[in-house]
Amino acid sequence: DAKTTQPNSMESNEEEPVHLPCNHSTISGTDYIHWYRQLPSQGPEYVIHGLTSNVNNRMASLAIAEDRKSSTLILHRATLRDAAVYYCILSGMSNDYKLSFGAGTTVTVRA
Amino acid sequence: DVKVTQSSRYLVKRTGEKVFLECVQDMDHENMFWYRQDPGLGLRLIYFSYDVKMKEKGDIPEGYSVSREKKERFSLILESASTNQTSMYLCASSPGQTYGYTFGSGTRLTVV
Repeated sequence: DAKTTQPNSMESNEEEPVHLPCNHSTISGTDYIHWYRQLPSQGPEYVIHGLTSNVNNRMASLAIAEDRKSSTLILHRATLRDAAVYYCILSGMSNDYKLSFGAGTTVTVRA
Repeated sequence: DVKVTQSSRYLVKRTGEKVFLECVQDMDHENMFWYRQDPGLGLRLIYFSYDVKMKEKGDIPEGYSVSREKKERFSLILESASTNQTSMYLCASSPGQTYGYTFGSGTRLTVV
């Protein structure tokens, strides 16, 4: 399975943007890049996903490098409710389109 | 919004009991999944299903079975509960293979 690499933790200030990096140098052509987040004591929550082009939704933006070997999740204005573990996951034909969760990035937001 | 409902938030069972964890989704999703989450080990896939009456083993199926008799319902069965199955169990669904998943709130199972 193609793997992703994320920093263990990141800190941000409230109302500032947060850029969460993810490296996936062994990504294959059919792999989608998914982002989920998990707040304490809750199930994971879908954030965004994309294949080749940058994607925007009401929660975040996903910027995908031209060679697709890395991507960045952008939270435009962090709030205290954005403090969570963020997971970057690849899903495609190589792994039967399943999601395999790694350790993720723990995001702390300072008031 | 899609809703994935897990029947119990907390459950305590005795060793050797047969345990049923129920999951229901209300948006006609094709795919359903069962994960467990443990500290230091993250989320691990137990079983999944891409269609009614279809099931596939995930990464850690030992000690578990599943049932999907109706599209909206996916049940996880612990045939004979053991203490090492104490965990948070999470159900998820998705409309297709290239779509995002919606997770339930989880069932925290304690086996004593």
